[in-house]
Amino acid sequence: DVKVTQSSRYLVKRTGEKVFLECVQDMDHENMFWYRQDPGLGLRLIYFSYDVKMKEKGDIPEGYSVSREKKERFSLILESASTNQTSMYLCASRLSAPYEQYFGPGTRLTVT
Amino acid sequence: DQQVKQNSPSLSVQEGRISILNCDYTNSMFDYFLWYKKYPAEGPTFLISISSIKDKNEDGRFTVFLNKSAKHLSLHIVPSQPGDSAVYFCAASSGGGADGLTFGKGTHLIIQP
Repeated sequence: DVKVTQSSRYLVKRTGEKVFLECVQDMDHENMFWYRQDPGLGLRLIYFSYDVKMKEKGDIPEGYSVSREKKERFSLILESASTNQTSMYLCASRLSAPYEQYFGPGTRLTVT
Repeated sequence: DQQVKQNSPSLSVQEGRISILNCDYTNSMFDYFLWYKKYPAEGPTFLISISSIKDKNEDGRFTVFLNKSAKHLSLHIVPSQPGDSAVYFCAASSGGGADGLTFGKGTHLIIQP
């Protein structure tokens, strides 16, 4: 069974703080993804990574960066959190194309 | 510009009947399509996928139909069960599925007893 875990289920941060969201998968998947989900907007792709040290911008990368130093771990970084980054953040991994992506449980981030 | 559209925010179906969820897309480069199911406070769970070289894919109670000329796909659930009540997301990808997914806004399916 594929397992994708995210470091926190709920997180509250202040405006301007640097925020790290961690994602770990245990199936040796090559590709990893970060999405955010907002009411009425569905899921939107922030960044993804085909392999270690590689990263690609998704549809809404502004205000975010990522890090993939090890194959199993993909971090999303909010350099200076803002209230419009309050959202549900979902990490996913995939063996390679065209296989399906497996999602973690999500992190509900609130920025006050 | 929304490239994947699910025009029904919610759908109510009686238990045992067929549930049909619809999805339209505008990007002709999309060649791989997926359906995900999501319960509150959980991540989406993969249900079924279809490549653009096919027009139908079946897995148990779930069947996905793809009409490329109309840029339309649908998910059929037969028979519908109470546990099927969830939000369903249609997603699409290009490059044989190599890229990240573009999601629709979701349809909340409610199965009535």
